[in-house]
Amino acid sequence: KNEVEQSPQNLTAQEGEFITINCSYSVGISALHWLQQHPGGGIVSLFMLSSGKKKHGRLIATINIQEKHSSLHITASHPRDSAVYICAVFQGAQKLVFGQGTRLTINP
Amino acid sequence: DGGITQSPKYLFRKEGQNVTLSCEQNLNHDAMYWYRQDPGQGLRLIYYSQIVNDFQKGDIAEGYSVSREKKESFPLTVTSAQKNPTAFYLCASTPGWGTEAFFGQGTRLTVV
Repeated sequence: KNEVEQSPQNLTAQEGEFITINCSYSVGISALHWLQQHPGGGIVSLFMLSSGKKKHGRLIATINIQEKHSSLHITASHPRDSAVYICAVFQGAQKLVFGQGTRLTINP
Repeated sequence: DGGITQSPKYLFRKEGQNVTLSCEQNLNHDAMYWYRQDPGQGLRLIYYSQIVNDFQKGDIAEGYSVSREKKESFPLTVTSAQKNPTAFYLCASTPGWGTEAFFGQGTRLTVV
């Protein structure tokens, strides 16, 4: 079992839909990253959070430390949101452990 | 603008040849990392360095080598001992423990 599990692995939705991507982890962490990877491969950090909730534009990230679970929400989804979304947790001495990613496709 | 620069974006090499991937950052970050990504798999840690002249093996270090002679630079050499070198390689840096990570654009290495 992976230390960081994401669901779903693939998600296809229509433009405008509300999107939720989930991340569960089994190890003690200091912080959790949500990352976005576009087809070219480059990765952009969306959020880093260690408690509660953060919002940036149409993106919202929440984390529940007790339940070892985080969610990434996208409101009013758009085709340009199509990408792979990756959850990563800081474990121990600066080690980042990554989930396998969720491939999101938003159709117009 | 501050950031991490990886070069080249695409790299082709013949089997048996060593190849070095470049990673440079101007963010003044202490820690730097190399990750490998294979299709359908998550990123896996190859090597990391928390300070100049020091580095540690990650989960899949066999067949790779690194150096950290300058704070800004953390090159990765894929040696001929790496049995399956074709992959996407990502470099990252962080200012300190448990802080936000910054990523390069990656190098896609194809060995033929």
